[in-house]
Amino acid sequence: DVKVTQSSRYLVKRTGEKVFLECVQDMDHENMFWYRQDPGLGLRLIYFSYDVKMKEKGDIPEGYSVSREKKERFSLILESASTNQTSMYLCASSPTLRGDTIYFGEGSWLTVV
Amino acid sequence: SQQGEEDPQALSIQEGENATMNCSYKTSINNLQWYRQNSGRGLVHLILIRSNEREKHSGRLRVTLDTSKKSSSLLITASRAADTASYFCATAYSGNTPLVFGKGTRLSVIA
Repeated sequence: DVKVTQSSRYLVKRTGEKVFLECVQDMDHENMFWYRQDPGLGLRLIYFSYDVKMKEKGDIPEGYSVSREKKERFSLILESASTNQTSMYLCASSPTLRGDTIYFGEGSWLTVV
Repeated sequence: SQQGEEDPQALSIQEGENATMNCSYKTSINNLQWYRQNSGRGLVHLILIRSNEREKHSGRLRVTLDTSKKSSSLLITASRAADTASYFCATAYSGNTPLVFGKGTRLSVIA
């Protein structure tokens, strides 16, 4: 069964802290994604990666960076967390970018205080 | 933004009734997908319809696609309380680009 695992389900961080959100997939997928979900705004793409060490900006990359050193792992980094980054973060993966089904993790709830 | 729009934003029905949700998009697509999200959880893929298909069924789900109107609908028949969730459409455009998700319809099925 396909699986996307996000390491932390709930996190509380202080303003200015550096935050790492980790995601691992076991499906050997080429592509991995980080989305942010806020009430009334739906899912918004932060960054995606189509290969190891490759990354592309999504719709809202400001304030975030990513790292993909291994095919199965995609990390989202908040260099200096701010309260407006309090949100639900969803990691996902897919085999290709040609309209394949996307597989999601369970989400990470981040609160910045 | 190419983000699709679901309609209605929220829907409340009685158990046993049918639920219909609509999705509109802006430009030509390769396929359109529907996903379900239980409260506080990740999204799960329900069904995919390709641009050359008009209707597709999966169990109690029926999806239609009208490319001339750039719209799709998801019908859940004989709804159950367990169908309570948010439903999102996602569109796949040409080229190597990620899916674009709409804002979702929140469905409540009352027992």
